[in-house]
Amino acid sequence: AQSVAQPEDQVNVAEGNPLTVKCTYSVSGNPYLFWYVQYPNRGLQFLLKYITGDNLVKGSYGFEAEFNKSQTSFHLKKPSALVSDSALYFCAGGHSGAGSYQLTFGKGTKLSVIP
Amino acid sequence: EAQVTQNPRYLITVTGKKLTVTCSQNMNHEYMSWYRQDPGLGLRQIYYSMNVEVTDKGDVPEGYKVSRKEKRNFPLILESPSPNQTSLYFCASSLSWQVYNSPLHFGNGTRLTVT
Repeated sequence: AQSVAQPEDQVNVAEGNPLTVKCTYSVSGNPYLFWYVQYPNRGLQFLLKYITGDNLVKGSYGFEAEFNKSQTSFHLKKPSALVSDSALYFCAGGHSGAGSYQLTFGKGTKLSVIP
Repeated sequence: EAQVTQNPRYLITVTGKKLTVTCSQNMNHEYMSWYRQDPGLGLRQIYYSMNVEVTDKGDVPEGYKVSRKEKRNFPLILESPSPNQTSLYFCASSLSWQVYNSPLHFGNGTRLTVT
């Protein structure tokens, strides 16, 4: 069984500071990892994905994520946070083997960027 | 505009009164899925469909039904709603059922309250 964990329910960061939202995974075989963002009263939007390759993945809105196989982590990062980045962030994982038609989502991390 | 459309956005109903939440996508996507979002639990998959007439249970299917008679539509049916089905529901679609490789596109959600 695969699982995705987001250890922080909430992350607060000052505007202009770097931000990190953490995600760890347990996926059999080669993992495929995603970050999605949810703004208030909206559905989730795709930010970026990792498929085997470069460990640093660049995505939308200046976000990037670092894949670390030894630590089974896929942390979301941004060098300089904006107030408009305040939202709920979800990490999700899947794999290419049996069950490749399902993604497992983490519980979400609420990011608050303080002006 | 490419989108996933859910209706209604808000629904208040009483225990036992059958209801249907509609979902439609205009991207010719193979894969469609329903999730529910609850505080502290993240997103949990209810049902999914890999193509027309092909549906299967997700992680929390009890009390729900779905059908996929046409590629674009994937309605969620609650035959006898109960208060524990009060939740925020999302429909999502993907180009391929191999969702590890193909990002999900989400609707804006349906907030259901069952009294």
